[in-house]
Amino acid sequence: ETGVTQSPTHLIKTRGQQVTLRCSSQSGHNTVSWYQQALGQGPQFIFQYYREEENGRGNFPPRFSGLQFPNYSSELNVNALELDDSALYLCASSLTGGSYEQYFGPGTRLTVT
Amino acid sequence: AQSVTQLDSQVPVFEEAPVELRCNYSSSVSVYLFWYVQYPNQGLQLLLKYLSGSTLVKGINGFEAEFNKSQTSFHLRKPSVHISDTAEYFCAVRGYSTLTFGKGTMLLVSP
Repeated sequence: ETGVTQSPTHLIKTRGQQVTLRCSSQSGHNTVSWYQQALGQGPQFIFQYYREEENGRGNFPPRFSGLQFPNYSSELNVNALELDDSALYLCASSLTGGSYEQYFGPGTRLTVT
Repeated sequence: AQSVTQLDSQVPVFEEAPVELRCNYSSSVSVYLFWYVQYPNQGLQLLLKYLSGSTLVKGINGFEAEFNKSQTSFHLRKPSVHISDTAEYFCAVRGYSTLTFGKGTMLLVSP
């Protein structure tokens, strides 16, 4: 069973730039959620995708957007990067209708300078 | 709406001592509770979960937690900790489709 993978591991961007983060779900999972974890904080829910459609969104502006592909992999896109976007971005996959458990990837560390 | 309060930001303890990490929650829907552990520079790993049934839940690595509905608590316990348990621990409550996390408790185990 392949776990959740994320790429890249780290990246550094400049304020105002755009970034795309990628996630591959655990085999058999049809739902993906993205979280932002700022330093010293718990993860904050950004949004969730189910069957390629957004299925819930947290308190994040529209410059945070996402995609889910037919193979259930996913992207998180952030436009017009701000310094406060520096964080660990976590992807979690799950099976809707299953045990409610979410399986997390190792995360992507984004630094905005 | 859901919320989670982890009352201690940091808990220092000696190796082989017992430990309790505290978590209080509020939820407007059915209560599903989780504890995750995060080792440095890693993602989150599920320790245990409460969905229904017995209020005492056993998880991996010798951890257990007790769901107390009247006190809206879900405290995590381990009778004897190891150095390798040093990590950040997050309590989470599930809402309609996603998780709301607490701010975390750093468990520091020293020899």
